[in-house]
Amino acid sequence: AQSVTQPDIHITVSEGASLELRCNYSYGATPYLFWYVQSPGQGLQLLLKYFSGDTLVQGIKGFEAEFKRSQSSFNLRKPSVHWSDAAEYFCAVGASFGNEKLTFGTGTRLTIIP
Amino acid sequence: GAGVSQTPSNKVTEKGKYVELRCDPISGHTALYWYRQSLGQGPEFLIYFQGTGAADDSGLPNDRFFAVRPEGSVSTLKIQRTERGDSAVYLCASSVQGAGETQYFGPGTRLLVL
Repeated sequence: AQSVTQPDIHITVSEGASLELRCNYSYGATPYLFWYVQSPGQGLQLLLKYFSGDTLVQGIKGFEAEFKRSQSSFNLRKPSVHWSDAAEYFCAVGASFGNEKLTFGTGTRLTIIP
Repeated sequence: GAGVSQTPSNKVTEKGKYVELRCDPISGHTALYWYRQSLGQGPEFLIYFQGTGAADDSGLPNDRFFAVRPEGSVSTLKIQRTERGDSAVYLCASSVQGAGETQYFGPGTRLLVL
């Protein structure tokens, strides 16, 4: 069975500082990996996804993530955060064959301080 | 174009009552998913439709939960004999056919069972 661990429940960073949100997954083959963002009262919005190929994936809003098979990780990064980045971030894994459901982590809440 | 819509946005009911939650997917998306998000948790998979049929209902917690998609578009999630533990945000997503395709989420229905 697939699973996702987001070890950081809450992270606080200063505006303009760099950001890294951690995600570790468990899956028997090469997975599909996703990062979604959820703002208060909003639906989940896809930031980026990894299927295959280049392990460094670029997404919207200046985010990127790197797939590291050896570490079973898919960490999300941004070089300089903006106050509008404050939200809940979810990492998710999908099977590369068979069922199509996504398995989400418990999320990381990001707070930005001026 | 229009995204995934869900109605109602909020639903308050009493323990033991029956509720229906509706999802309108993005036009042309053949795959439709229901997830449930409890407070402080990531979304948890409930059921996946491919067209009119439920391709995977392994996430439905018990037989009080049922979902239909009779014409391959709109879907209704039905909960019988609601319990306080059913209180959560119910999310719907849709995608084009295929594993790993991006799932586009609706804003959710917040269900509160008193």
